[in-house]
Amino acid sequence: EAGVAQSPRYKIIEKRQSVAFWCNPISGHATLYWYQQILGQGPKLLIQFQNNGVVDDSQLPKDRFSAERLKGVDSTLKIQPAKLEDSAVYLCASSLGGKGARETQYFGPGTRLLVL
Amino acid sequence: AQKITQTQPGMFVQEKEAVTLDCTYDTSDPSYGLFWYKQPSSGEMIFLIYQGSYDQQNATEGRYSLNFQKARKSANLVISASQLGDSAMYFCARDSSYGKLTFGQGTILTVHP
Repeated sequence: EAGVAQSPRYKIIEKRQSVAFWCNPISGHATLYWYQQILGQGPKLLIQFQNNGVVDDSQLPKDRFSAERLKGVDSTLKIQPAKLEDSAVYLCASSLGGKGARETQYFGPGTRLLVL
Repeated sequence: AQKITQTQPGMFVQEKEAVTLDCTYDTSDPSYGLFWYKQPSSGEMIFLIYQGSYDQQNATEGRYSLNFQKARKSANLVISASQLGDSAMYFCARDSSYGKLTFGQGTILTVHP
């Protein structure tokens, strides 16, 4: 079974530029998560989708971050414009069912973003 | 906020010995799940073990076991017979009622030959 796929693996941009990350979850997984992991910290949830609906985006900086999961499968996370403090690893995860809780989340390899 | 605390920034263990990584958590929910993940230097988060708050037995998965003490709100990970490949960052996490994981700060484990 293929795992969670993410691209690109690395991205370097200058501040005020825009960037987009792509995630393809494990086939059949209804729930998809985007986490931000700043160096030296644990991951922090940015947004959670169940199928193509948003469950939680309370910690997503909506003035610059956006995310979509239009067909309930793959997802795109965008930052526009980027700030220096957005330098982090962006992790995508998915879980099987719609209930979310008590389900194991499987993570992709992450996208390492450096904003100069 | 529901906080997860990992008090050991770094731990060292000799190969083939056992090691315990500590985790305590806040919660007011009666039902929750606790997870441990391993993050090697490559960056991917690898699921290790899960414990449900209502599970009667402590979870085990191969060399990993979870020492779950509900009254003390602790969920320590025990790795038996450490291997060099166990060197990595380890994160404890607790889920919310709809799945969001809240992670601790992590513990860096170094296994010496």
